[in-house]
Amino acid sequence: DGGITQSPKYLFRKEGQNVTLSCEQNLNHDAMYWYRQDPGQGLRLIYYSQIVNDFQKGDIAEGYSVSREKKESFPLTVTSAQKNPTAFYLCASSTRAGLGYTFGSGTRLTVV
Amino acid sequence: QQQVKQSPQSLIVQKGGISIINCAYENTAFDYFPWYQQFPGKGPALLIAIRPDVSEKKEGRFTISFNKSAKQFSLHIMDSQPGDSATYFCAASSSTGANNLFFGTGTRLTVIP
Repeated sequence: DGGITQSPKYLFRKEGQNVTLSCEQNLNHDAMYWYRQDPGQGLRLIYYSQIVNDFQKGDIAEGYSVSREKKESFPLTVTSAQKNPTAFYLCASSTRAGLGYTFGSGTRLTVV
Repeated sequence: QQQVKQSPQSLIVQKGGISIINCAYENTAFDYFPWYQQFPGKGPALLIAIRPDVSEKKEGRFTISFNKSAKQFSLHIMDSQPGDSATYFCAASSSTGANNLFFGTGTRLTVIP
């Protein structure tokens, strides 16, 4: 079955450490996205990529970095510059026309 | 700035009742309006979507009503069931832009037996 796989499901990070969240899709989608979800604030766009080797900042990109070396993969790194990283992170993908928008099951990151 | 405004933030409905969630937008370039359903600890899943060339779309117990002139759209859940208890997000995107979905802040629906 086609879909999006996010790993790990739960992640704990010490303050000052970088951590990378994995997102893989086998839907043959060109576009991929990272969202952050906090209670009462909906889904906020961190980064998105329309094609391989290209990506753009979303609304809250500060303290995050991404790469898009393969069509199937769009990892997100939460750097130590992100002051409040505890959140639920969601990866999504779609066709380049924005159709078939599909979400992964999320990674819950907690800073300890 | 919130591109899509959603209300109410939470909603409690009796089993068998009608749940109504409203959304409003400003960007007239938006031409795709989906609704997503999210259960705790899971990613959102597409529930139903509409384009502005129609005023209503129905799929089972779920109906989207769309008012282009008012720039508003709403989700109606008929005969609400306890299994419908979830968070619902409206969203909007433009085919002339980067196709990113802009989400509302979500509505937590609780259907009580």
